[in-house]
Amino acid sequence: NAGVTQTPKFQVLKTGQSMTLQCAQDMNHNSMYWYRQDPGMGLRLIYYSASEGTTDKGEVPNGYNVSRLNKREFSLRLESAAPSQTSVYFCASSIGLFTGELFFGEGSRLTVL
Amino acid sequence: AQSVAQPEDQVNVAEGNPLTVKCTYSVSGNPYLFWYVQYPNRGLQFLLKYITGDNLVKGSYGFEAEFNKSQTSFHLKKPSALVSDSALYFCAVRDLKAAGNKLTFGGGTRVLVKP
Repeated sequence: NAGVTQTPKFQVLKTGQSMTLQCAQDMNHNSMYWYRQDPGMGLRLIYYSASEGTTDKGEVPNGYNVSRLNKREFSLRLESAAPSQTSVYFCASSIGLFTGELFFGEGSRLTVL
Repeated sequence: AQSVAQPEDQVNVAEGNPLTVKCTYSVSGNPYLFWYVQYPNRGLQFLLKYITGDNLVKGSYGFEAEFNKSQTSFHLKKPSALVSDSALYFCAVRDLKAAGNKLTFGGGTRVLVKP
């Protein structure tokens, strides 16, 4: 029972490089989310997808794009990475939008030099 | 706007002693409240939630939380802490009155349980 799977777990980028974080869930959840975690700031919502085919901005969307590829997969793209995007990124899913329990992946640690 | 505060960055407790992690919130309507725990290098795991009903909510791993509407608090408690409870704890709130409102997380409280 995999739950929410994120790849890669670790990545080092140079400023200006691009990359995509992948996320997949096998729980048949409708809603998916991308959060970033920074020390002392808790989790901040980057983007979310209420259901397949929809995406919306969260608190800190600048510098990111997302794609809800299908019901299972929700990817996060950094088009031109900046040092301020150094963080730990978490994907999560839930049966309904911000209702019930969120299930989190194990995180992707990104360092931008 | 909704908000949630965890006033303590870190809580230290001896094994076997009671553990309390504080959380206060601000919403305009009725709150939907959660506690999550994060172990090192892992994602967040759900502990418990409150929507309506009994003010004392029981959750996973022996944790419970008390909803206090007058004090706008939702403190997490465990009667007897274990070393394995050492982790980062997050409180989260959603305002049920405001349509489209998202889930807001607190800054987290690190719990260190010493043997």
